[in-house]
Amino acid sequence: ETGVTQSPTHLIKTRGQQVTLRCSSQSGHNTVSWYQQALGQGPQFIFQYYREEENGRGNFPPRFSGLQFPNYSSELNVNALELDDSALYLCASSLGSTSYEQYFGPGTRLTVT
Amino acid sequence: ELKVEQNPLFLSMQEGKNYTIYCNYSTTSDRLYWYRQDPGKSLESLFVLLSNGAVKQEGRLMASLDTKARLSTLHITAAVHDLSATYFCAVDHTGTASKLTFGTGTRLQVTL
Repeated sequence: ETGVTQSPTHLIKTRGQQVTLRCSSQSGHNTVSWYQQALGQGPQFIFQYYREEENGRGNFPPRFSGLQFPNYSSELNVNALELDDSALYLCASSLGSTSYEQYFGPGTRLTVT
Repeated sequence: ELKVEQNPLFLSMQEGKNYTIYCNYSTTSDRLYWYRQDPGKSLESLFVLLSNGAVKQEGRLMASLDTKARLSTLHITAAVHDLSATYFCAVDHTGTASKLTFGTGTRLQVTL
């Protein structure tokens, strides 16, 4: 059974660019949630995807968008990057949208210059 | 808006000592989680507390939940250096989706 994986591990982008982050959920899990963790802070919920549909969103602007594929892997897209988007992006997978068993991936460190 | 507060924010303690981290939250919640995070790493799940009065223990860590007081505690017994990390509590407002609201974290430093 494979765990949650994320790619890339690190990346550096310039303000105004667009970025795509990827998450492969744990085998058998149909739900992926995304979190943003700025340096020195706790993670903040961005949104959740359940069976390929967005199923709940936090307080993030529309330039943060996502997708979930039939194999339940997921992408987080951020357009028009701002310096404040620099953070560790974590995804968590679970079986079911309300499951209390969530497994976090290793994260992607995004730096916007 | 749900708020989750932890205290202290930073804790320096000697090996062998005991201490407690507190997590207060502002509205009724379904579940409470404790996570550990090492520098530059992801979150490691420590405990999930599902009901009032729940107590869970793993090694030198023990977590408890009082839903009436909206308070959870993480007690550290006889600290060792390996426990140095940042500890987060998180509260879950389930609804149609599990959405965790995290506290600000407690950075624990255990010194020799």
